[in-house]
Amino acid sequence: AAGVIQSPRHLIKEKRETATLKCYPIPRHDTVYWYQQGPGQDPQFLISFYEKMQSDKGSIPDRFSAQQFSDYHSELNMSSLELGDSALYFCASRSAGAGGELFFGEGSRLTVL
Amino acid sequence: AQKVTQAQTEISVVEKEDVTLDCVYETRDTTYYLFWYKQPPSGELVFLIRRNSFDEQNEISGRYSWNFQKSTSSFNFTITASQVVDSAVYFCALSDFKAAGNKLTFGGGTRVLVKP
Repeated sequence: AAGVIQSPRHLIKEKRETATLKCYPIPRHDTVYWYQQGPGQDPQFLISFYEKMQSDKGSIPDRFSAQQFSDYHSELNMSSLELGDSALYFCASRSAGAGGELFFGEGSRLTVL
Repeated sequence: AQKVTQAQTEISVVEKEDVTLDCVYETRDTTYYLFWYKQPPSGELVFLIRRNSFDEQNEISGRYSWNFQKSTSSFNFTITASQVVDSAVYFCALSDFKAAGNKLTFGGGTRVLVKP
């Protein structure tokens, strides 16, 4: 079965650079979530989209932005990167009519040097 | 606001022992979902089980079982006859019941180490 696809899997950037992460949800899933997991931490909710509209917002820095496109894929844009942005970024998707579990991608590991 | 607490930060057992992971949650919602996710060393988050707040029946699925007690806001998870491959970080999570939304609030995780 198709899963959530995230790219790139690994990314190395310098401070103050920009990074873009992509997420392709499971087909027919209309809700996408972004989470950030720092080393030894639990995943923290950043932002979510339902039917291409932002549905909820968590602890997402102002330097970050995200959107969901007409094909339901989503992109997380991160600018002016800081060392503290180094983390594993997860995308998850679910169908609004389904039972509630989120299906996570394998994550994109961002390292800021 | 929702909150999930996993008091155990790390549990170490010998293979074939049972492991019980504690989870306590706080929410103002009357209906909600509870989950357990597994994060092996490779890093991905793997969905294990889900429970609706209005169904307190406890179940067993293979070597996994869970004990949901709404009265004490607890959702404990047990791995029976643990195996080395069960070594991972286990997260308890909570979400609301909205059609759109349903973001997960995670606990701090419990690292399980199963020794051969």
